[in-house]
Amino acid sequence: AQSVAQPEDQVNVAEGNPLTVKCTYSVSGNPYLFWYVQYPNRGLQFLLKYITGDNLVKGSYGFEAEFNKSQTSFHLKKPSALVSDSALYFCAVKGSYIPTFGRGTSLIVHP
Amino acid sequence: DVKVTQSSRYLVKRTGEKVFLECVQDMDHENMFWYRQDPGLGLRLIYFSYDVKMKEKGDIPEGYSVSREKKERFSLILESASTNQTSMYLCASSGRDTYNEQFFGPGTRLTVL
Repeated sequence: AQSVAQPEDQVNVAEGNPLTVKCTYSVSGNPYLFWYVQYPNRGLQFLLKYITGDNLVKGSYGFEAEFNKSQTSFHLKKPSALVSDSALYFCAVKGSYIPTFGRGTSLIVHP
Repeated sequence: DVKVTQSSRYLVKRTGEKVFLECVQDMDHENMFWYRQDPGLGLRLIYFSYDVKMKEKGDIPEGYSVSREKKERFSLILESASTNQTSMYLCASSGRDTYNEQFFGPGTRLTVL
């Protein structure tokens, strides 16, 4: 079985400050890891993924994520947050062809 | 620009009605998914299809059925709508390989009165 944990329901950060949204996972075999973002009343949009290779993955809108195999984590980061980054963020893991999603973390960036 | 479209953004139905939610993708994807999204519960998989006429139950299939007669179209059917099926419904598609990401539609917010 595979699972994803997003330990924070909500993350608050001031505009211009770095942000981190946490994700830990459990899966048999090599994981494929994904981050998605959801703006209000919209579907999810793909941000980035880890398949293999470099542990630091760069994605859309200046986001990046660091894969840490020993800690089974895949935290989403951005060096300087924008108010427009405020949204719901989902982490997902695939060990097979069906992904498992975390419950989501609401990111609020304050002006 | 790749697209997943859903037939309605907002839908209001009465208890006991039969409800059809349609999803169409233009990326020639093999895999298609139906999720429901509820506050605090994240995304829960209802059904999954990996090919035309093929389907697999997800985590919460009770009260739902699906149809995939053509590769680009995946329909979710509520045979007899109930108030506890009031939710946001999201359709997604992806390529066959495990490392492929999903593309999501805009969602249908269904209210059952």
